[in-house]
Amino acid sequence: QKEVEQNSGPLSVPEGAIASLNCTYSDRGSQSFFWYRQYSGKSPELIMFIYSNGDKEDGRFTAQLNKASQYVSLLIRDSQPSDSATYLCAVRSPSGGYNKLIFGAGTRLAVHP
Amino acid sequence: DGGITQSPKYLFRKEGQNVTLSCEQNLNHDAMYWYRQDPGQGLRLIYYSQIVNDFQKGDIAEGYSVSREKKESFPLTVTSAQKNPTAFYLCASSISSGRALGGKNIQYFGAGTRLSVL
Repeated sequence: QKEVEQNSGPLSVPEGAIASLNCTYSDRGSQSFFWYRQYSGKSPELIMFIYSNGDKEDGRFTAQLNKASQYVSLLIRDSQPSDSATYLCAVRSPSGGYNKLIFGAGTRLAVHP
Repeated sequence: DGGITQSPKYLFRKEGQNVTLSCEQNLNHDAMYWYRQDPGQGLRLIYYSQIVNDFQKGDIAEGYSVSREKKESFPLTVTSAQKNPTAFYLCASSISSGRALGGKNIQYFGAGTRLSVL
């Protein structure tokens, strides 16, 4: 079982719709959760982070965390073609006492006009 | 302009050659990291450093070496022992690397170096 799992996609949504990206993790002791966006050929850029159960909203983006079920999701409202990218879920592992992030393989999102 | 600078953007390695990838940050961050990304895969940690003159192996350190002589710099050497070096290499930094929750542990990435074998 992979430590952080994401559906590779592509997830195809029409412009203006809500895109829902999901991520599950195996380490129940995980504490912090990050969503990065990565355009093709570019480096990851942070979208949001969350560490408390529930929802966290920032503009069109909402991160949702459910530690009991061990999943974290990212909702993108009013999706735009410029949102087309790969979204990486990263989970902070408590092992070793340092800030180790475990990355999923990413979900490719395609927003079509 | 604060940020993380990686150079070169593209690098080609001949068989048996060691190559060094540069990573410089002016964010005054204590912690720095090197990741490798292969197509369709997530990022895998090669090495990390929490403070100057100290660094630790990550999950895939074999065939790589690093140094941390200055807070701002964390170069990665891909040695001839790394038999499959073709990948996208990403350097990251964070304010700290401790257990605290919140923004201090956010990792920010440089633009990356794409390494290929001739």
